[in-house]
Amino acid sequence: NAGVMQNPRHLVRRRGQEARLRCSPMKGHSHVYWYRQLPEEGLKFMVYLQKENIIDESGMPKERFSAEFPKEGPSILRIQQVVRGDSAAYFCASSPDPDQPQHFGDGTRLSIL
Amino acid sequence: GDSVTQMEGPVTLSEEAFLTINCTYTATGYPSLFWYVQYPGEGLQLLLKATKADDKGSNKGFEATYRKETTSFHLEKGSVQVSDSAVYFCALGNTGGFKTIFGAGTRLFVKA
Repeated sequence: NAGVMQNPRHLVRRRGQEARLRCSPMKGHSHVYWYRQLPEEGLKFMVYLQKENIIDESGMPKERFSAEFPKEGPSILRIQQVVRGDSAAYFCASSPDPDQPQHFGDGTRLSIL
Repeated sequence: GDSVTQMEGPVTLSEEAFLTINCTYTATGYPSLFWYVQYPGEGLQLLLKATKADDKGSNKGFEATYRKETTSFHLEKGSVQVSDSAVYFCALGNTGGFKTIFGAGTRLFVKA
């Protein structure tokens, strides 16, 4: 039973480009969460999605960031016109329902040149 | 709002020493409490959990007891190993909601 799969593991972009981060939840999990972790810091909640719906995006920057979880396929976190400050590790987690512990992927490390 | 506060790191111990990482929380309602561990270059893994007051979660020699009177969930291990070196996160899950709130993490170094 595969865990939460994130790709790519490492992503390098130049300032102004777009970054797309993918997350496939564990089988049977329909709840997906995205977090950002800056070096030597904890996790900051960004967005919570359930199939085709954004439930809570209170942690997402208002501009340049968007997330989706389509009926088919992985969840996507999209960052447009990246800036140096977007460099971080982005983690995806999934759960079968919101009261259950979340299972995490290994993250995507985004570096902005 | 709900929050989690855990002791600042890094914590440096010698092998076989006793470990305590303090965690306190503020929450409305009756949250579940979790400890997650993050090894270098990896995501977080659930280490243990407790869902109600006085519950004790345990796994791999680690323990934590849900103390409602002191709003605490301290992580303990009687004898640490080098392989326990990692970052440990205390977390709070509000059973009425959907957001897991994480503490800032405590880095543990264990020396041989």
